Amino acid sequence: GIQVEQSPPDLILQEGANSTLRCNFSDSVNNLQWFHQNPWGQLINLFYIPSGTKQNGRLSATTVATERYSLLYISSSQTTDSGVYFCAVERSYNTDKLIFGTGTRLQVFP
Amino acid sequence: KAGVTQTPRYLIKTRGQQVTLSCSPISGHRSVSWYQQTPGQGLQFLFEYFSETQRNKGNFPGRFSGRQFSNSRSEMNVSTLELGDSALYLCASSLQDDNSPLHFGNGTRLTVT
Repeated sequence: GIQVEQSPPDLILQEGANSTLRCNFSDSVNNLQWFHQNPWGQLINLFYIPSGTKQNGRLSATTVATERYSLLYISSSQTTDSGVYFCAVERSYNTDKLIFGTGTRLQVFP
Repeated sequence: KAGVTQTPRYLIKTRGQQVTLSCSPISGHRSVSWYQQTPGQGLQFLFEYFSETQRNKGNFPGRFSGRQFSNSRSEMNVSTLELGDSALYLCASSLQDDNSPLHFGNGTRLTVT
């Protein structure tokens, strides 16, 4: 099956720093989404981005489908950004729903 | 617009029992999918329903089942509970069955003792 790898697995930042999270996938996809899981367990959809670039406030994402990777940028990080960031993909031939990566755990300290 | 609602939030059961979890999707969303999250296996797809029909099923034993009602609300059932079924069960809804952003509920944390 399709493999989804995220890096780095853990990231510790001081408030105000910028960071880049990466998601690599092993097969072509027609659906890629980024999620943030807060410390209380809720998964929040950040971006639906099968290709191209999107921005939402301090967050932006870029997916290069032909090279099978996606990047999530967090600028001027805040303590509320802490949590786990997941990338999830769906394969082109839709034999399964979203396949999640193992996540990047981000801790932002004041 | 209300988000995805899952009930109950927490559940404690003993081995061998069965459990039913409930999910109400965002109004207008017809696709509901279920995921299991554990520290060891991460987030794994259970099944997906669209217009009361199961569209996709993940690699889980037959003890895990689900259904969707005409109002798009969904339930999942786990019979003959095992210790390894302890997990956070997440429900998500989307407008269509493909290529739509997924919106998750707060989850039901199931503990099997």
